[in-house]
Amino acid sequence: GQQVMQIPQYQHVQEGEDFTTYCNSSTTLSNIQWYKQRPGGHPVFLIQLVKSGEVKKQKRLTFQFGEAKKNSSLHITATQTTDVGTYFCAGPGQGGSEKLVFGKGTKLTVNP
Amino acid sequence: DGGITQSPKYLFRKEGQNVTLSCEQNLNHDAMYWYRQDPGQGLRLIYYSQIVNDFQKGDIAEGYSVSREKKESFPLTVTSAQKNPTAFYLCASSIQVRNTEAFFGQGTRLTVV
Repeated sequence: GQQVMQIPQYQHVQEGEDFTTYCNSSTTLSNIQWYKQRPGGHPVFLIQLVKSGEVKKQKRLTFQFGEAKKNSSLHITATQTTDVGTYFCAGPGQGGSEKLVFGKGTKLTVNP
Repeated sequence: DGGITQSPKYLFRKEGQNVTLSCEQNLNHDAMYWYRQDPGQGLRLIYYSQIVNDFQKGDIAEGYSVSREKKESFPLTVTSAQKNPTAFYLCASSIQVRNTEAFFGQGTRLTVV
């Protein structure tokens, strides 16, 4: 079935450093969503990207959707301890099916 | 308050017993999902439902069953056929299955001993 590959699996940074996680699909995605899961919590929706080449910003977070709509990235500028958690990308299943398929996530830890 | 509720938060069962996890939403969402989360595995889709009285298998449906008799409820039964049932189970809902954000419950951590 549809696979959404996410790298890296883990990332440890010093507070103030930047962080980027990447999401790749073997097929074109109609849209991609990003979620954040705090330790011990549940995933919370951050954003959805729909258009080719789309870039959206939320304060220190920048989300991009590739021109071919097969990859996406989340970049955090000047990380803070509140950014700790696991970041997931998610997209529709293969063939535009009604599934919502998640990547394995990138676990971010921030050293104060 | 609108939201999605899973209960209980922690559940312990003996091996060989079936167990049902509850998921209720009052968001008037059509679509509902069950995911399983294991360390390092991300979220894997067990079952999903687009509408009442209809549901589809996800990627790891073996050993699980669901029902969708009411719009607001999507219970998941973990049967004794599930080889490795200990995990964190997350229920989610969305307005539609396609292209809309999913809202997650708090999750149920199931431990089978």
